[in-house]
Amino acid sequence: GQNIDQPTEMTATEGAIVQINCTYQTSGFNGLFWYQQHAGEAPTFLSYNVLDGLEEKGRFSSFLSRSKGYSYLLLKELQMKDSASYLCAVRSYSGGYNKLIFGAGTRLAVHP
Amino acid sequence: DAGVTQSPTHLIKTRGQQVTLRCSPKSGHDTVSWYQQALGQGPQFIFQYYEEEERQRGNFPDRFSGHQFPNYSSELNVNALLLGDSALYLCASSLRQGSYNSPLHFGNGTRLTVT
Repeated sequence: GQNIDQPTEMTATEGAIVQINCTYQTSGFNGLFWYQQHAGEAPTFLSYNVLDGLEEKGRFSSFLSRSKGYSYLLLKELQMKDSASYLCAVRSYSGGYNKLIFGAGTRLAVHP
Repeated sequence: DAGVTQSPTHLIKTRGQQVTLRCSPKSGHDTVSWYQQALGQGPQFIFQYYEEEERQRGNFPDRFSGHQFPNYSSELNVNALLLGDSALYLCASSLRQGSYNSPLHFGNGTRLTVT
């Protein structure tokens, strides 16, 4: 079966660094995505990893270890606008098609 | 370049009724996926359409059905509505033959309330 775990809630201070972890068990692994979702809005794409290692994209970085079924999203120089839910999603390949399976999301609150 | 558009934005239905939600994919995309997102939860995969056929399906009952049209737009139908069907329904589009890191693009969703 498919299982994706991430912390329910996290808090951090403006200007700080926060790391959001995600562990997964899935068949047909074909990449891991991170999405940001503000309350009442659609999820927006942040980052993608398919090979082991770190992908950096401005203030956001994402890491993947396929052997450990583990990923994290690192947010640097936190801003108030970073308060949102962060969704870890695994792309699973089966029968010639990919589907994206989401975790429950981590609600991040950034305080002044 | 229009993104993913969904209609209606909000909908209120009564238990037992039927509902149809609509989605137009991002320009150039050919694959549409539907997700259900309950409050405080992550999106749950319902099904995916490509070339007008359902290609993958999540753990949802047959009350949930869909359709994709030749212009790639899609509909989600839910019959015999239950209170538990109240959720945000998200449509996402992608290009099946896109690059390896092609992400899903989401619409703003339809908020369905069943009373």
